[in-house]
Amino acid sequence: GENVEQHPSTLSVQEGDSAVIKCTYSDSASNYFPWYKQELGKRPQLIIDIRSNVGEKKDQRIAVTLNKTAKHFSLHITETQPEDSAVYFCAAMGRNTTSGTYKYIFGTGTRLKVLA
Amino acid sequence: GAGVSQSPSNKVTEKGKDVELRCDPISGHTALYWYRQRLGQGLEFLIYFQGNSAPDKSGLPSDRFSAERTGESVSTLTIQRTQQEDSAVYLCASSSLMTTEAFFGQGTRLTVV
Repeated sequence: GENVEQHPSTLSVQEGDSAVIKCTYSDSASNYFPWYKQELGKRPQLIIDIRSNVGEKKDQRIAVTLNKTAKHFSLHITETQPEDSAVYFCAAMGRNTTSGTYKYIFGTGTRLKVLA
Repeated sequence: GAGVSQSPSNKVTEKGKDVELRCDPISGHTALYWYRQRLGQGLEFLIYFQGNSAPDKSGLPSDRFSAERTGESVSTLTIQRTQQEDSAVYLCASSSLMTTEAFFGQGTRLTVV
């Protein structure tokens, strides 16, 4: 079945350094790749997403890159701040052309700690 | 409402009892997802609804788990004969075909004692 692998599971960086989280997916029909941030005790919230017709997208200190051939995508956070500390989830969504339905598969999460 | 709403926020139940968890998606969202999140763990897919049909139930861990959805509205996740390993936060999310972004509810924290 469809699978999304995410690495690393934990990541500690010094404030001001960059953080990179990587995901690979198995379903070649996936065409939408969001990233969610979940702060302690709160619900996951979308921070950035990318569609399969784009290789890179940037929003201030956050960027996502996508390599469809290799079926992997990455989240890059530059100039990290303590408030970036959270669990980050990647996801892949594809459309089943037979049933016409969509399905989200999430990665296992990365716990990011930004050390002041 | 403005967002995805789940109830109850917290539920403590005795082992062996049945529980019902409710999710009110954003109005107009055709897709609805249920996930389970154990403490410190990732998002475990349970079931997905498109409208009121469930094209993918592959994540339901056992026949004690079931879910239904009325039209493109409320969904309930039912866990029968609860076990301690069912203790987790159950998250619901909804999305529309137009935006595809999934919006999460605040979750129901289930504790089985």
